[in-house]
Amino acid sequence: TQLLEQSPQFLSIQEGENLTVYCNSSSVFSSLQWYRQEPGEGPVLLVTVVTGGEVKKLKRLTFQFGDARKDSSLHITAAQTGDTGLYLCAGAPVEQAGTALIFGKGTTLSVSS
Amino acid sequence: NAGVMQNPRHLVRRRGQEARLRCSPMKGHSHVYWYRQLPEEGLKFMVYLQKENIIDESGMPKERFSAEFPKEGPSILRIQQVVRGDSAAYFCASSPAQDIGYTFGSGTRLTVV
Repeated sequence: TQLLEQSPQFLSIQEGENLTVYCNSSSVFSSLQWYRQEPGEGPVLLVTVVTGGEVKKLKRLTFQFGDARKDSSLHITAAQTGDTGLYLCAGAPVEQAGTALIFGKGTTLSVSS
Repeated sequence: NAGVMQNPRHLVRRRGQEARLRCSPMKGHSHVYWYRQLPEEGLKFMVYLQKENIIDESGMPKERFSAEFPKEGPSILRIQQVVRGDSAAYFCASSPAQDIGYTFGSGTRLTVV
């Protein structure tokens, strides 16, 4: 059983479209992190959300942490080809505090021109 | 300020040989994490180390795999008597403290032939 479920698994869109990807769990997290990974490289941290209900914006990317701190979403406005990549959410459940991050399987985003 | 350095980037080993993967964390980071990534499985946690100590090795197979992070020098992930199933991308990450965003290296791609 995957602790962090990400959906959709694959997403293929045209440049200029909006999209939302989701990260869900039945566990409560003290924080959740989002990473983006490009082929042949390691994941790169985009954002950390800490407070339930928190919304963080990073240019065209909007991250939200659920009120119950069990889920998160990433919304991209007017996608660009440079947004193509694997988006991963990660966290450590509160009952496993002090352990390493657990990662979801990710959403593979392909943006074409 | 160099990021997390992993070497080699690519490693080919014959079945039964040993593989040694090296990771130098970012300056000032004392927490090191090793993950394995396969396309269908996502990023799987293997082991979490601090200087000279293994904090959590629950994700690492008991047989053939070992990890260390000595007082001086890089962290080493060692795989003895490699088998085809060990072929994967191995990523190292570091952080200055727990629950702080990770910085990943570019990975070592191990191929067992």
